[in-house]
Formats: sequence, C-alpha cells, structure tokens
Amino acid sequence: QKEVEQNSGPLSVPEGAIASLNCTYSDRGSQSFFWYRQYSGKSPELIMSIYSNGDKEDGRFTAQLNKASQYVSLLIRDSQPSDSATYLCAVFTSGTYKYIFGTGTRLKVLA
Amino acid sequence: KAGVTQTPRYLIKTRGQQVTLSCSPISGHRSVSWYQQTPGQGLQFLFEYFSETQRNKGNFPGRFSGRQFSNSRSEMNVSTLELGDSALYLCASSLTRETEAFFGQGTRLTVV
Repeated sequence: QKEVEQNSGPLSVPEGAIASLNCTYSDRGSQSFFWYRQYSGKSPELIMSIYSNGDKEDGRFTAQLNKASQYVSLLIRDSQPSDSATYLCAVFTSGTYKYIFGTGTRLKVLA
Repeated sequence: KAGVTQTPRYLIKTRGQQVTLSCSPISGHRSVSWYQQTPGQGLQFLFEYFSETQRNKGNFPGRFSGRQFSNSRSEMNVSTLELGDSALYLCASSLTRETEAFFGQGTRLTVV
C-alpha cells in the first residue's frame, strides 16, 4: 500500500462545477496535511494546509480532513479553466518525520 | 517577501560529469528539503536539512549528496551523472520541520 494515494485522473469537470479531489494516507500518526497545485512545467504551489479534523475554507477552496478514515479531500467551487492542473496531496508523517507526496490528480476544467 | 530561489534554472550535462544545484530558502526558514520529480515517479524525497544537519534521507544512491550552510542556504551535488538523473530538482523551505513547505521554481537537469 502506498503511503499517500490519489487517483491519477484526469478528472474532468465543466466550468462552474465543483471539483472534488481525494487523498488517502496510511500513517495514522500523520499530523499535517497539504494540498499543492502544479501547472505543467512549473513547481508545486501551496494551496491549503489542514491540521485538525473538519473543514477549512479559503476562497473557492475547501479542505476536508477525517483522521479516523485517514482521508483528506479538496473541493474547488466554481471551477475555472485556470484551475486545470495537477493537484498534489502531501502528508507530514511523524514516524519518518518527512513529507510524503501523492502522485497527484490531474484536473481538467472544461470551458 | 522573497520566495525560494533555485539556481540555475536549466542545466545540460554529460554522463559522468557532476553537478551542483543551489537553493536559497525564504528568509527565516531553517528547513530545506530536496525532491526529484520525473514524469513516471512523481515527487521523490531526496533529503532534508535543518540547522546545517541532514535530518532525513530518501532512497537515493550515495552519488546524491547535499549540505546546508549557516545562513540556511543549501546545495545538492550529484556526481557521476547518469541519463536517469534527468529530472526536475525541487527545493522546498519551511519555517520548522513540520510546517508548510514552499517550493522554488526548480532546476531542470538534462543529462546527455
């Protein structure tokens, strides 16, 4: 089992819709969770961080964390073509004391 | 506030050569991590430095090494380059070891 798993996609959503990106992790001791956006040929850009169970909202983005289910998600409301990118989930694991990245989900927002 | 700066942005090297990449973290950030990104493997952790000490290392051969200076700037070195070392090398800095990490623009290394 991979430490951090994401569906590679592509996930295609129409413009204006809600995009839902999911991530599961294996280390129950994980403490910190991050979502990054990466455009093709560019470096990852931090979108959200979440540390406790529940929802955290920032503009059109909402991160959701459920530690009991070892699940973290990112919702993008009113999706725009400019949101088309690869979204990376990262988990800070207390066991190895390092960030583990998923392989990313490619999102395509169709105009 | 300046971001993470990586130099050079692009490099072309020949097999067998060695290369040194540089990373200047965000001011005040003490943790610097290095990653290799390839299309097939995604982001692979190379190593992490905090307070001039390597705190963590990924599963890479000894040809990959690094160091951190007293001003938190970091360098990574790859010796005896192989074709498979062609990748985007990313540096990320964070205030402490477990807080949000911010990436530089990366160095794209091509080995021919």
